[in-house]
Amino acid sequence: AQSVTQPDIHITVSEGASLELRCNYSYGATPYLFWYVQSPGQGLQLLLKYFSGDTLVQGIKGFEAEFKRSQSSFNLRKPSVHWSDAAEYFCAVGAVSGSARQLTFGSGTQLTVLP
Amino acid sequence: KAGVTQTPRYLIKTRGQQVTLSCSPISGHRSVSWYQQTPGQGLQFLFEYFSETQRNKGNFPGRFSGRQFSNSRSEMNVSTLELGDSALYLCASSGGGANEKLFFGSGTQLSVL
Repeated sequence: AQSVTQPDIHITVSEGASLELRCNYSYGATPYLFWYVQSPGQGLQLLLKYFSGDTLVQGIKGFEAEFKRSQSSFNLRKPSVHWSDAAEYFCAVGAVSGSARQLTFGSGTQLTVLP
Repeated sequence: KAGVTQTPRYLIKTRGQQVTLSCSPISGHRSVSWYQQTPGQGLQFLFEYFSETQRNKGNFPGRFSGRQFSNSRSEMNVSTLELGDSALYLCASSGGGANEKLFFGSGTQLSVL
């Protein structure tokens, strides 16, 4: 069975600083990987996804993530954080069975941005 | 284009009751998935419906059920509610293909007293 680990429960950074959120996955085949962001009381918004091809993936809001098969990692990065980036971030791996799909999420990383 | 709409936004029930949650997907989307989000267990997959058929199911008891209508709208039902069922229930829609991204609604916050 697939699993996702986000080792950092809470991260605090200053506005303008760089950000890296860690994600490690366990999956038997080539994974489909995702990063989602959730603001309080809201649903999940997709930041970026990796299916195949280039291992450096660009997403919305200036985020990027790099797939490293050898490390089973898919870390999310942003060079300069904005106060509006404060939210909870979830990494997910997609299991595909036929044409069906289900996502397994990590436990999330809460990001606080200091002014 | 309207997003995924979930109703109601908040719900309060007592133990033993049953509840029905509704999800209207993005127009043209044929797949609807349901997830439960709790502080303790995080986000967990409940089930996915495509063209009125359940094609994937997570590890939840039979008290959790769902259905999808011909217009792709979906309902989720929880019978004999327990305190542990208190959660944010999220619905997501997509076109249904394996490479398609999921669009999530804002969820229904269920509180069981």
